[in-house]
Amino acid sequence: GENVEQHPSTLSVQEGDSAVIKCTYSDSASNYFPWYKQELGKRPQLIIDIRSNVGEKKDQRIAVTLNKTAKHFSLHITETQPEDSAVYFCAAYYGNNRLAFGKGNQVVVIP
Amino acid sequence: NAGVTQTPKFQVLKTGQSMTLQCAQDMNHEYMSWYRQDPGMGLRLIHYSVGAGITDQGEVPNGYNVSRSTTEDFPLRLLSAAPSQTSVYFCASSYSHQNTEAFFGQGTRLTVV
Repeated sequence: GENVEQHPSTLSVQEGDSAVIKCTYSDSASNYFPWYKQELGKRPQLIIDIRSNVGEKKDQRIAVTLNKTAKHFSLHITETQPEDSAVYFCAAYYGNNRLAFGKGNQVVVIP
Repeated sequence: NAGVTQTPKFQVLKTGQSMTLQCAQDMNHEYMSWYRQDPGMGLRLIHYSVGAGITDQGEVPNGYNVSRSTTEDFPLRLLSAAPSQTSVYFCASSYSHQNTEAFFGQGTRLTVV
């Protein structure tokens, strides 16, 4: 099956600093890479995604980069704020039908 | 639109009992799936469906059954609950099974004692 790995597991950053979460995937056929944010006790929600024909995508303070050759993609959060504290999951489709998630990263923004 | 609706939100079962977790979506999505979330394990795919009448196994299907008789509904059945099935369960749907956003239900916290 698909293996999606996330590093590091927990990330603490000072408010205003940047946070970067990296993921690697194993299925070279994967072509869609979403990122989900899950606040405590709530459902995961999509925050940004990228397709394999694009190397980078930005949405305000959030950006995602993709390196298909190396099979890794990263989430970048700039000017972090307390409301960015959450668990972030990367994911990748494999076999066209299955969305596999990484184990998640806990991001803690310290005021 | 209500989106993806799961019921119940909380459930306690005794070992060996059976139950059905309900999931319904009103977005006319083809693709529906069930995940379980355990601490440190992320979201693991249990079963999924690419359309009415079509289901398939995910990563951790043992102990669970699904059916998809309509586009809207995708119930998850636990045949004989075990403590190892204590988890938070999420149903999700997306427009297509290929590369589109998954919308999650609010989750069901299940405890098997």
